Amino acid sequence: DTGVSQDPRHKITKRGQNVTFRCDPISEHNRLYWYRQTLGQGPEFLTYFQNEAQLEKSRLLSDRFSAERPKGSFSTLEIQRTEQGDSAMYLCASLGLSNEQFFGPGTRLTVL
Amino acid sequence: KNEVEQSPQNLTAQEGEFITINCSYSVGISALHWLQQHPGGGIVSLFMLSSGKKKHGRLIATINIQEKHSSLHITASHPRDSAVYICAVSGAGGTSYGKLTFGQGTILTVHP
Repeated sequence: DTGVSQDPRHKITKRGQNVTFRCDPISEHNRLYWYRQTLGQGPEFLTYFQNEAQLEKSRLLSDRFSAERPKGSFSTLEIQRTEQGDSAMYLCASLGLSNEQFFGPGTRLTVL
Repeated sequence: KNEVEQSPQNLTAQEGEFITINCSYSVGISALHWLQQHPGGGIVSLFMLSSGKKKHGRLIATINIQEKHSSLHITASHPRDSAVYICAVSGAGGTSYGKLTFGQGTILTVHP
C-alpha cells in the first residue's frame, strides 16, 4: 500500500500521560500536514513540514505539542501532559505535485 | 464568521434524489476541495477545482470564483453515499499554499 499511514489508529490514555503519533506520508511527497478534528467539526490545521523543516504552527498548538520530521520522511506528533480537551482525531496528510492532499486514516485519541 | 461555511449541516434524502451541498468562502484561495469522510475517520478527496466544473460518475462539483461559492451535487443518490462531505480551501500562496481550511461538514444520510 503506497498511501499515507498513521500509527496507532486508536490511543486511550490517562490525563497527564505523554503520547506520540506517527505519520508515514507517500514517499515522494515533500509537504506533510497535521490536522485535528473534534467530534462534529471539520478538521483544523495544526502544523506542516516541507521536507524536514517545520514551516508553520497553528496557535492551536500549545507548548505541550511538538512535531518533528527528522529526515523529511515520516513525522511524529507528541502531546505531553495530555488533557481531556486533547481528545480528538489527529489526521495527517501529504501533498502531491498536483496539490491534491492525501489523508491518512487518522489516530483517534481518547484522554480519560 | 468562519472562513469556510457549508450548508446544510445535516441532509436527509431518499434513494434516487438529487442532492446539493453548498460552500461559501471568504478568503483568497488557490483551490477548493470537496472531501468525503466515512465513519471511522478516513478522508478521501473527491474533487479539487479552481474554476468551472468537474464531474466524476454521479458527482458534480462547480465553483464560481467571483461569488466565492461552490456546490457539490450528487445525482441519483444511493445509501452508500451516506457520509460527511467537507468543503475545504487551500491558501493562495506563500506559507498558506497547500494548507487547508475546512468547513464544518455536511452529514448526508440517504435512506433506501
